[in-house]
Amino acid sequence: TQLLEQSPQFLSIQEGENLTVYCNSSSVFSSLQWYRQEPGEGPVLLVTVVTGGEVKKLKRLTFQFGDARKDSSLHITAAQPGDTGLYLCRVKAAGNKLTFGGGTRVLVKP
Amino acid sequence: DVKVTQSSRYLVKRTGEKVFLECVQDMDHENMFWYRQDPGLGLRLIYFSYDVKMKEKGDIPEGYSVSREKKERFSLILESASTNQTSMYLCASSLLGLDYGYTFGSGTRLTVV
Repeated sequence: TQLLEQSPQFLSIQEGENLTVYCNSSSVFSSLQWYRQEPGEGPVLLVTVVTGGEVKKLKRLTFQFGDARKDSSLHITAAQPGDTGLYLCRVKAAGNKLTFGGGTRVLVKP
Repeated sequence: DVKVTQSSRYLVKRTGEKVFLECVQDMDHENMFWYRQDPGLGLRLIYFSYDVKMKEKGDIPEGYSVSREKKERFSLILESASTNQTSMYLCASSLLGLDYGYTFGSGTRLTVV
């Protein structure tokens, strides 16, 4: 059974601060996606990463896929209240098993 | 604007009722999925479909069934609702192939009393 962990579970910061959330597993992923879910809505896809060591940027968001393809991080620079939400990672592992992490709830206070 | 539409945002049903949750997508996606989302448990896959009339069990199919008679519509059926099926239900669609991202609906919050 694949263990997929997201950390921290909850993060509260002030507007303008930076933050990093993590998605880790003991298994190798063939691909990983990050989603953001705002209260009362469904998750929205932010990025897909497939290559070990890959770094992608989306405005103030930087996504990194670990070299060994077992972990990923999402870094937000100068967070804004609009970044508030639940950040979810979804991985595709061996046997095409698709799994979502439990998520990191981020609160950015004005 | 492309989207996935779930028929109800909120539903309250009684124990033992048969419940239908409807989902429609306008993106001509082959794959469609039903998840439930519970605090502390994340998103868990109930069923998915990669083509009309095709269905595959996910991680927690017990107590549920699905129907996909048309490409754009994927229905989740609770045969006899129970209180432990109280949850947020999310429908999603994607292109064929597991590396494509999902487009989610806004969810249906179902309460079984």
